[in-house]
Amino acid sequence: DTAVSQTPKYLVTQMGNDKSIKCEQNLGHDTMYWYKQDSKKFLKIMFSYNNKELIINETVPNRFSPKSPDKAHLNLHINSLELGDSAVYFCASSQVGSQYFGPGTRLTVL
Amino acid sequence: KQEVTQIPAALSVPEGENLVLNCSFTDSAIYNLQWFRQDPGKGLTSLLLIQSSQREQTSGRLNASLDKSSGRSTLYIAASQPGDSATYLCAVGANNDMRFGAGTRLTVKP
Repeated sequence: DTAVSQTPKYLVTQMGNDKSIKCEQNLGHDTMYWYKQDSKKFLKIMFSYNNKELIINETVPNRFSPKSPDKAHLNLHINSLELGDSAVYFCASSQVGSQYFGPGTRLTVL
Repeated sequence: KQEVTQIPAALSVPEGENLVLNCSFTDSAIYNLQWFRQDPGKGLTSLLLIQSSQREQTSGRLNASLDKSSGRSTLYIAASQPGDSATYLCAVGANNDMRFGAGTRLTVKP
């Protein structure tokens, strides 16, 4: 069984569009995260949720809005997409210690 | 704010060689440190997790050490194989936050 899953795996869209990436974990973890990996492979945390509550909100444009309907899901909605949003977005979850990552969503904004 | 640095950025070695990857961090108040492997176009795979109270962890040919006071960790890979070729990321954990280094891209030549 997949521990952390993300959909879609690839997302190609035009500038100005609104899109969502979904993340689900079946590990029973309390904490979930969204990371952005840029073209230089540098991974930066964007958001962290613990039991559906926002814990960390890094300096991310407010066009990015995470939503956690329940402990097992943390979705990322992006409004008015820009070229600079092109990256790979990783979802992860953790309880205590190790983080488990999803396969990533490669977003390309044209 | 925690800063994580990995040296070298890239490393190429012949098969069979032992090697060391380095990770340094600026804030010693950490909960744990984790080493990940990332294959091209794929997600992250956790290799080793060291809790702040531990000095090292071993898994097969991998050994990771942690020196909190000096803000350093090393990942030792013994008898490297071509299949070890990947990018290795160091991540420092504190509460619900995790900071990543930029990674070391390892190539093991047959």
